[in-house]
Amino acid sequence: GIQVEQSPPDLILQEGANSTLRCNFSDSVNNLQWFHQNPWGQLINLFYIPSGTKQNGRLSATTVATERYSLLYISSSQTTDSGVYFCAVGDAGGTSYGKLTFGQGTILTVHP
Amino acid sequence: NAGVTQTPKFQVLKTGQSMTLQCAQDMNHEYMSWYRQDPGMGLRLIHYSVGAGITDQGEVPNGYNVSRSTTEDFPLRLLSAAPSQTSVYFCASSARPGGGYTFGSGTRLTVV
Repeated sequence: GIQVEQSPPDLILQEGANSTLRCNFSDSVNNLQWFHQNPWGQLINLFYIPSGTKQNGRLSATTVATERYSLLYISSSQTTDSGVYFCAVGDAGGTSYGKLTFGQGTILTVHP
Repeated sequence: NAGVTQTPKFQVLKTGQSMTLQCAQDMNHEYMSWYRQDPGMGLRLIHYSVGAGITDQGEVPNGYNVSRSTTEDFPLRLLSAAPSQTSVYFCASSARPGGGYTFGSGTRLTVV
């Protein structure tokens, strides 16, 4: 099956700093999503971005499907950005029916 | 509030007991799925459904059953609980198999 690698595994920032999280995947995808899992465990959908660039406030994401990677940018980080960021992809081949494969996540800690 | 509702939030079972984790969504989404989240393993797909009456297995289906009698509900049944099923379970839905996911708040299950 498709492999998803996220980097870095851990990231510690001071409030106000910018960061870039990366997601590499091993095969063609028809679905790519970024999620934030907050310290209470809730999974929040940040972006649905199988290709192209999207922005939502301080967050933006870019997926270059032909090169099999996606980037999540966090600008002017805040303590509320802390948590785990997951990239999840859907395999474009066969009968994937929307099944997502998740990466292992990037643990982000933002200090005040 | 619109979204995905999971019950219960916490549950402790004894080995061999059975139980049903409930999942309901009010967004008229066709696609629903169950994931389990374990430390170091990320989120793994248990079962999914592309519509009422249609279900299929994911990556880790053993020990679990599902049914989809209505669009709104997608319960997950543990047939005979084992300590290896101690995990956090998430239900998710999307309007279509390739669309953006909305996750429920999770059920933390401990099997002793």
